[in-house]
Amino acid sequence: DAKTTQPPSMDCAEGRAANLPCNHSTISGNEYVYWYRQIHSQGPQYIIHGLKNNETNEMASLIITEDRKSSTLILPHATLRDTAVYYCIVRVVGLTGGGNKLTFGTGTQLKVEL
Amino acid sequence: DAMVIQNPRYQVTQFGKPVTLSCSQTLNHNVMYWYQQKSSQAPKLLFHYYDKDFNNEADTPDNFQSRRPNTSFCFLDIRSPGLGDAAMYLCAPARVAGSYNEQFFGPGTRLTVL
Repeated sequence: DAKTTQPPSMDCAEGRAANLPCNHSTISGNEYVYWYRQIHSQGPQYIIHGLKNNETNEMASLIITEDRKSSTLILPHATLRDTAVYYCIVRVVGLTGGGNKLTFGTGTQLKVEL
Repeated sequence: DAMVIQNPRYQVTQFGKPVTLSCSQTLNHNVMYWYQQKSSQAPKLLFHYYDKDFNNEADTPDNFQSRRPNTSFCFLDIRSPGLGDAAMYLCAPARVAGSYNEQFFGPGTRLTVL
């Protein structure tokens, strides 16, 4: 699976949009981009995933560049409860058995402040 | 209602004394992942099941064994815990279909080795 690069930490004011970047310049055509987050002392939580089109759900939006070499996770109105480590992961889809796994990188520690 | 339960939440053992960590789920997902997460690090995949098909990661030590008697229950056995095995252990049943790989993490078991 392709390697991802994320900034180690970011700050965001409560109520503002949090834009978390991820670089995946070696991504291949059959790899999807996934985002998970981990709030302190809890297990990771799925947020969103996409291939090439922008995606939106109740938690966030995912913007993938046209060349797919980078993406941005957007939390439109960050709250204190969004303080967490955010992981960007790319993986090949469609494999059976042992291919269905995610490899977590170091992630971005997002701190939302008043 | 809790969908993924891990017992115990905290486990203290002595060096070399076997331990068993359990994970149960009410989601009926056929894929089950086990991760080890050390302090300030990302979760590291130990192995996963696709139904009863066991898929070990290449760098998972032999000290770690697993059993999955049915879809609902899965166990992680650490045969001879060392100080380096102190960590949070997370199980995550997953819904895997096409591009979709949403893992539902449990609260984790924090293992301390004395």
